[in-house]
Amino acid sequence: QSALTQPASVSGSPGQSITISCTGTNSDVGSYNLVSWYQQHPGKVPKLIIYEATKRPSGVSHRFSGSQSGRTASLTISGLQAEDEADYFCFSYMGSTSSFVFGDGTSVTVL
Amino acid sequence: EVQVVQSGAEVKRPGSTVKMSCNVSGKTFSDHYLHWVRQAPAKGLEWLGLVDPKDGEVLYAEKFKGRVTIRADTSTDRTFMEMISLRLEDTAVYFCATGDVPVPNFWGPGALLTVIS
Repeated sequence: QSALTQPASVSGSPGQSITISCTGTNSDVGSYNLVSWYQQHPGKVPKLIIYEATKRPSGVSHRFSGSQSGRTASLTISGLQAEDEADYFCFSYMGSTSSFVFGDGTSVTVL
Repeated sequence: EVQVVQSGAEVKRPGSTVKMSCNVSGKTFSDHYLHWVRQAPAKGLEWLGLVDPKDGEVLYAEKFKGRVTIRADTSTDRTFMEMISLRLEDTAVYFCATGDVPVPNFWGPGALLTVIS
């Protein structure tokens, strides 16, 4: 079990917005604005969609947005589309161990 | 265009050692960290460690300290990951990744390590 807690699954209907949380501690998520989010479709390589809590890499849809409050970071997907069905992982620096860690992942289902 | 090319699949016995490599092209090799990540079958992503190619500084996940060694070779723009004392549960796809932002956004295709007795 990861030090970063994510819900196992989240679902929504096309066009809706969903939010995935990633909760850590005050020594990782709470201390650094360094949470990233990756999207992974089955059998594919992970794709970076948010870094430094709120920044979107070039080419990533504006439907993906990130936020952070205290020790919880969140990823919001707006205007949910069938292609958003994938696993989503948060990724953070851990100051207590000078290392990085992934959350256990959240499976997003588009109903 | 940034390309990350990894060495091929490996099959190993428990207790043995594996060494994987990764070549980066299309960007300045030493500009960003090189990460190694693995994913066991039907499991999530697990971070192993990283190397800063500028100075060779490494960070490892606590779980892999003493068993994994990561280094970078700036003369060939390659990174290497060596894991010793292999176990059945080390069977996974191993990725190397780098980026043009502070976290990895260019990933290799992954290399399957199968540990089988």
